Amino acid sequence: QSVLTQPPSVSGAPGQRVTISCRGGSSNIGANFAVHWYQQLPGTVPKLLIYENNNRPSGVPDRFSGSKSGSSASLAITGLQAEDEADYYCQSFDSDVSGMIFGGGTKLTVL
Amino acid sequence: QVQLVQSGAEVKKPGSSVKVSCQASGGTFYSDTFSWVRQAPGQGLEWMGRIIPIVDTAMYAQRFQGRVNITADKFTRTAYMDLSSLRFEDTAVYYCARDLAGLHNGMDVWGQGTTVIVSS
Repeated sequence: QSVLTQPPSVSGAPGQRVTISCRGGSSNIGANFAVHWYQQLPGTVPKLLIYENNNRPSGVPDRFSGSKSGSSASLAITGLQAEDEADYYCQSFDSDVSGMIFGGGTKLTVL
Repeated sequence: QVQLVQSGAEVKKPGSSVKVSCQASGGTFYSDTFSWVRQAPGQGLEWMGRIIPIVDTAMYAQRFQGRVNITADKFTRTAYMDLSSLRFEDTAVYYCARDLAGLHNGMDVWGQGTTVIVSS
């Protein structure tokens, strides 16, 4: 069971806005460790989507944004497109285990 | 532009060890840090540990302590992940990835992945 909790699945129609939550605790997100987000398209290598809570690497569209509040973080995707259908993972550092941890992943379905 | 190229797929017997390599081209290997992440079939991502070549220091996820050894060869610009006492549940795709600068940061460049199958 992951220390970072994500919904197993979310869905939305093209053009809509969806959010994916990542709930942590006092030893990770709540301790002010940064949150990072990855997108994994089917059969491909994970790709960094958001780093340090709300920063986009070069080349990532501004339709993707991250936020953090308290012990939780969220990834928002606006103007949903068919090619956004993928698995999304949050990641942070946890002081209890002294290592990086991932959420369980969320499968985004574009209806 | 950093690129990471990993070694090929492996099939191993339970109880044996596997060593996966990850060669970097471009960038400054010496001052980068590299993580290893695995993904079992149909499962999520799991961080295993990281190596800091500049100080030749590795840190490991607690659940792999004692079973994993991550090293780096600065001359060949290659990182290695050695996993011992293999179990069926170690069957997974193993990725190396470069960490962004800064403590506990994300991973911006990934290798293509190495499939390790543990089978009797």
